[in-house]
Amino acid sequence: QQPVQSPQAVILREGEDAVINCSSSKALYSVHWYRQKHGEAPVFLMILLKGGEQKGHEKISASFNEKKQQSSLYLTASQLSYSGTYFCGTEIGSGNTPLVFGKGTRLSVIA
Amino acid sequence: DGGITQSPKYLFRKEGQNVTLSCEQNLNHDAMYWYRQDPGQGLRLIYYSQIVNDFQKGDIAEGYSVSREKKESFPLTVTSAQKNPTAFYLCASSISPGVPEAFFGQGTRLTVV
Repeated sequence: QQPVQSPQAVILREGEDAVINCSSSKALYSVHWYRQKHGEAPVFLMILLKGGEQKGHEKISASFNEKKQQSSLYLTASQLSYSGTYFCGTEIGSGNTPLVFGKGTRLSVIA
Repeated sequence: DGGITQSPKYLFRKEGQNVTLSCEQNLNHDAMYWYRQDPGQGLRLIYYSQIVNDFQKGDIAEGYSVSREKKESFPLTVTSAQKNPTAFYLCASSISPGVPEAFFGQGTRLTVV
């Protein structure tokens, strides 16, 4: 039931782009993206609902492919502040259920 | 300021002792959650509560207990039955069960020696 995130880790130089994927074997109702910096609480980035449109947050955007039950997080022109671990949280079925999180993708942006 | 407060930030206990982790929120949220985070494992759901005096087991509830006597409080007890209690514990809340956008506390790092 836990969604699968890929890649597990990625290293970028400032200004480079990255894509993080989140896939589920179950029919998804929504996908939530969070970023967690070391030793801190996860922070909500955005939510994508089934049938909804692509969302954006600064230079971070995401899409939801219902056919593939997959969401992708796009980070463009990465900044040092983007470093952290990104988690997707998924709601299955018709919603109204707690989020099930993936194992996370560790992103490191270097100068 | 509204938010979720977890205390303490670091906690040490001897093996075989029960320990209770505190979680308080002043966001007037109905739903509250406890997650456990281990390196490389993501966040795994322990228990959640959608309304006062009601709670449900998550994926890894064995060895844990909770109570929800007040809307703003959702304490987690790690019992001696939990085989591997050393971990980072995160409490979260959301406006309602149907709106799962979660706000997280700063976490409690529990070390059992």
